[in-house]
Amino acid sequence: SQTIHQWPATLVQPVGSPLSLECTVEGTSNPNLYWYRQAAGRGLQLLFYSVGIGQISSEVPQNLSASRPQDRQFILSSKKLLLSDSGFYLCAWKASGRAGSTDTQYFGPGTRLTVL
Amino acid sequence: DAKTTQPTSMDCAEGRAANLPCNHSTISGNEYVYWYRQIHSQGPQYIIHGLKNNETNEMASLIITEDRKSSTLILPHATLRDTAVYYCIVIFYNQGGKLIFGQGTELSVKP
Repeated sequence: SQTIHQWPATLVQPVGSPLSLECTVEGTSNPNLYWYRQAAGRGLQLLFYSVGIGQISSEVPQNLSASRPQDRQFILSSKKLLLSDSGFYLCAWKASGRAGSTDTQYFGPGTRLTVL
Repeated sequence: DAKTTQPTSMDCAEGRAANLPCNHSTISGNEYVYWYRQIHSQGPQYIIHGLKNNETNEMASLIITEDRKSSTLILPHATLRDTAVYYCIVIFYNQGGKLIFGQGTELSVKP
């Protein structure tokens, strides 16, 4: 069966520090991968998605970036964190392929980031 | 992707059926209706999805109106562990397959 991992689970970082969050998926090949952010009391906002190694689409301009160095690894980074980057970061995967009922996204446990 | 409208919050007695409505009046013919829920401080959990037929699985039932402009998620026997925010999402899967989450319905199951 497929599993998705995120780490760290929680993180407290000072303003201006760098960030690296990691997401890995097991039990599937060539998944679509997604990064979402959830600010306190709000719905999820899609940040990046990837349909393959090295292929990244950005949904919201910001000081964050994403990379996919391996098929089942997705990394969210920042060179300098802002206070507004605080939130709950979620990684998700779905099977690649054509539209249809196989396109359910499955989410990881999330990383709670606090920028002070 | 079509926009959805859900009540902000709902209460349900433990053991009773929880019926969560969702309006998606601008849904197009090739868009699916998906339901997720999010328990506090956890990642969203997939519940069920459908296109135009009613669907049932071990977690819930999904009732989609004939015109597809609204749907209802039914938790047949709600438990305290069903307390969560429930999101209704409509989506057509193009190359990216992006989910657009609204604010959802906060369901409180009370003893």
